[in-house]
Amino acid sequence: SQTIHQWPATLVQPVGSPLSLECTVEGTSNPNLYWYRQAAGRGLQLLFYSIGIDQISSEVPQNLSASRPQDRQFILSSKKLLLSDSGFYLCAWGSGRGANVLTFGAGSRLTVL
Amino acid sequence: AQSVTQLGSHVSVSEGALVLLRCNYSSSVPPYLFWYVQYPNQGLQLLLKYTSAATLVKGINGFEAEFKKSETSFHLTKPSAHMSDAAEYFCAVTLNQAGTALIFGKGTTLSVSS
Repeated sequence: SQTIHQWPATLVQPVGSPLSLECTVEGTSNPNLYWYRQAAGRGLQLLFYSIGIDQISSEVPQNLSASRPQDRQFILSSKKLLLSDSGFYLCAWGSGRGANVLTFGAGSRLTVL
Repeated sequence: AQSVTQLGSHVSVSEGALVLLRCNYSSSVPPYLFWYVQYPNQGLQLLLKYTSAATLVKGINGFEAEFKKSETSFHLTKPSAHMSDAAEYFCAVTLNQAGTALIFGKGTTLSVSS
């Protein structure tokens, strides 16, 4: 069966520090991968999605970047965090076929101080 | 582009009462529609999905939703609320096209009182 792992679960970082959140999927090949951010009262905002290695689409201009160094690995990064980067970050994967049901990781809560 | 609007950021019901969470969609082509639930500090869990088969879709935990094209709606219902239903619920839309992402509404927080 497929599983998705996301870490770290919680992170407290100072403004201006770098960020790396990692997501890996097991039990499937060539998944579509997604990063969403959830801020209080603002629902889920799609940040990046990837349909293959080195194929990444950015949905909104921001202080973040994403990379997909391996088929089942998706990394969210920042060189210098801003206060506004605080939030709950969710990684998800989908088959990319048919209804493309997404399965989500447990999330990473980032607090920037 | 497709989008969803969830009417009401907070809904409060008593235990045993009907649950109704509203979702309206916008899409230029027939969409796929989903409801997800999120418990505090957890990821999202799929409740149910509409993929152009039956318009009345049954999901987990006694929830169901009906796709109404004429009203562009996909409201979520449950006949009798349970305390454990308290959570945040998200409606989402996507298209049957390669690479299309899932677009979420802003969510509705459901509170259940005894």
